[in-house]
Amino acid sequence: NAGVTQTPKFRILKIGQSMTLQCAQDMNHNYMYWYRQDPGMGLKLIYYSVGAGITDKGEVPNGYNVSRSTTEDFPLRLELAAPSQTSVYFCASRDRGSTDTQYFGPGTRLTVL
Amino acid sequence: GNSVTQMEGPVTLSEEAFLTINCTYTATGYPSLFWYVQYPGEGLQLLLKATKADDKGSNKGFEATYRKETTSFHLEKGSVQVSDSAVYFCALSAQGAQKLVFGQGTRLTINP
Repeated sequence: NAGVTQTPKFRILKIGQSMTLQCAQDMNHNYMYWYRQDPGMGLKLIYYSVGAGITDKGEVPNGYNVSRSTTEDFPLRLELAAPSQTSVYFCASRDRGSTDTQYFGPGTRLTVL
Repeated sequence: GNSVTQMEGPVTLSEEAFLTINCTYTATGYPSLFWYVQYPGEGLQLLLKATKADDKGSNKGFEATYRKETTSFHLEKGSVQVSDSAVYFCALSAQGAQKLVFGQGTRLTINP
């Protein structure tokens, strides 16, 4: 049971480039989340999904897109990268209940220069 | 709306000191409450949780009691170790909610 996996671990982008951050979970969880964590700050929710084919915006969705074609995968797309998107990105998943634990991946550290 | 407020950090203690990190919340109904810990360079992981009033969550020597009358979920440990150095996040999940609400995090450093 690998839990929540994220790739890549590190990435440097130039301004205006695009990339996709990958996230996969093998726990058959319905709920999946993308957060960003800026240096010394807390977590901000970017997008989340309550099941395959259903996604919704969080607090800071601008500049990002997501899709959820399968239960397992929840990729995050950055279009036209900007320095303000320099951050550590965490994916998480949870089972159906609001009392259930959220499980986090190890994170992707992204720098936009 | 629902919110979580944690004590301001950073917190620096000596090894074997007693630890309290305060957490208070605002929510309607009966939320579930969580403490997550983030070790350097890692993602968050659940430390403990409580799902109803007066429940005590405990793990790795840490404890927190769900106090509905004071809307609090303070984290305590009797004797901290250097390995407890991390960032601690208090969070709540309202009944039927799809998302967690996180506090801002408290950075804890334990000196030998």
